Amino acid sequence: LAKTTQPISMDSYEGQEVNITCSHNNIATNDYITWYQQFPSQGPRFIIQGYKTKVTNEVASLFIPADRKSSTLSLPRVSLSDTAVYYCLVGQTSGTYKYIFGTGTRLKVLA
Amino acid sequence: DTAVSQTPKYLVTQMGNDKSIKCEQNLGHDTMYWYKQDSKKFLKIMFSYNNKELIINETVPNRFSPKSPDKAHLNLHINSLELGDSAVYFCASSQAGGAGAIGELFFGEGSRLTVL
Repeated sequence: LAKTTQPISMDSYEGQEVNITCSHNNIATNDYITWYQQFPSQGPRFIIQGYKTKVTNEVASLFIPADRKSSTLSLPRVSLSDTAVYYCLVGQTSGTYKYIFGTGTRLKVLA
Repeated sequence: DTAVSQTPKYLVTQMGNDKSIKCEQNLGHDTMYWYKQDSKKFLKIMFSYNNKELIINETVPNRFSPKSPDKAHLNLHINSLELGDSAVYFCASSQAGGAGAIGELFFGEGSRLTVL
């Protein structure tokens, strides 16, 4: 299983774009990259998943460079309600997949 | 119409007691999980069941016994509770994604267990 490394915490202001980078140097060929968001007192919630280049949905964008050894979650124009912990996961479904959550990045959005 | 529901949401008990947490999902998923999130917020996988069969057991003490009566339910029974068992326990379910992609995990709201 590819290990992931993220910053422990980040602060931002409302209306700014936030980019959270995840390192996964030993990512395997068939691995996908998935991001989850967890608010206090709630379970994590799926945000976005990608394999290469760029993926965008209504919540975020995911940028994956050609070597796939890192990925960046981009949150456009954050608001106070985006304050949460963001987790990066790497893995594939061949065999038994264990969703391993790392320490995550604690994002605090300030007014 | 909650997708993954857990009961109870809060549980306060004494050391040495036995307690259970129940989980149900109405998403039709084949795979269910139990995670433990401790005071440092580290989220650790404990067990996973696929169609009622145990497929992941992450070296959890045998005081913890999961049971899956059917693929929509996964319960967690804990014997002889210890102080270190205090945590939030999350149930989750998933279905495999397409083309080898990881299926999305759906979590319950968590069950906060406090052992005194």
